[in-house]
Amino acid sequence: NAGVMQNPRHLVRRRGQEARLRCSPMKGHSHVYWYRQLPEEGLKFMVYLQKENIIDESGMPKERFSAEFPKEGPSILRIQQVVRGDSAAYFCASSPTGVSQETQYFGPGTRLLVL
Amino acid sequence: KNQVEQSPQSLIILEGKNCTLQCNYTVSPFSNLRWYKQDTGRGPVSLTIMTFSENTKSNGRYTATLDADTKQSSLHITASQLSDSASYICVVSGGLSGTYKYIFGTGTRLKVLA
Repeated sequence: NAGVMQNPRHLVRRRGQEARLRCSPMKGHSHVYWYRQLPEEGLKFMVYLQKENIIDESGMPKERFSAEFPKEGPSILRIQQVVRGDSAAYFCASSPTGVSQETQYFGPGTRLLVL
Repeated sequence: KNQVEQSPQSLIILEGKNCTLQCNYTVSPFSNLRWYKQDTGRGPVSLTIMTFSENTKSNGRYTATLDADTKQSSLHITASQLSDSASYICVVSGGLSGTYKYIFGTGTRLKVLA
């Protein structure tokens, strides 16, 4: 029973390039959450998705960032025209049904470095 | 403003010793509080979850307490092991914008020495 999988684990991009981060939730989970962890800070909520729907994107910057969770395949967090301030660890979590009290299970994260 | 603060920031103890980590929160309304363990380079792993009515919850050598009146929680680790070296993160669910929106503390970095 594989856990939440994220790839790549490490990603290096130059300023202005695009970054695509992938997240495969645990088997049977249809709810995905993305968090960002800046150096020396706690994780911060970015976006909550269900299959084919964005439920809450209030934590995601309005410009350059987008997220999707298609019917088939992994969830994708896309960052266009990356800047140095985007360097961070990006964690994906999943849960079965999204109801209150439900535990979110985290992936190992993708560490993005923007040169 | 919904916040979660943890202390100490870092802690070094000898193997076999006990320790207690603290968490204060201002999240309102409160739904539940979790403690997660995050090993270096890994994602957080859930240790305990407590709701408003629960005062204490144990998971092996980990015991969490919650005082919902003072909005404080603690995580007590008994008979520490080298593998306990990690960051311990207090996470609160609640607030007006959705209980799925976890609010994370910055964590306590624990180092257990042989």
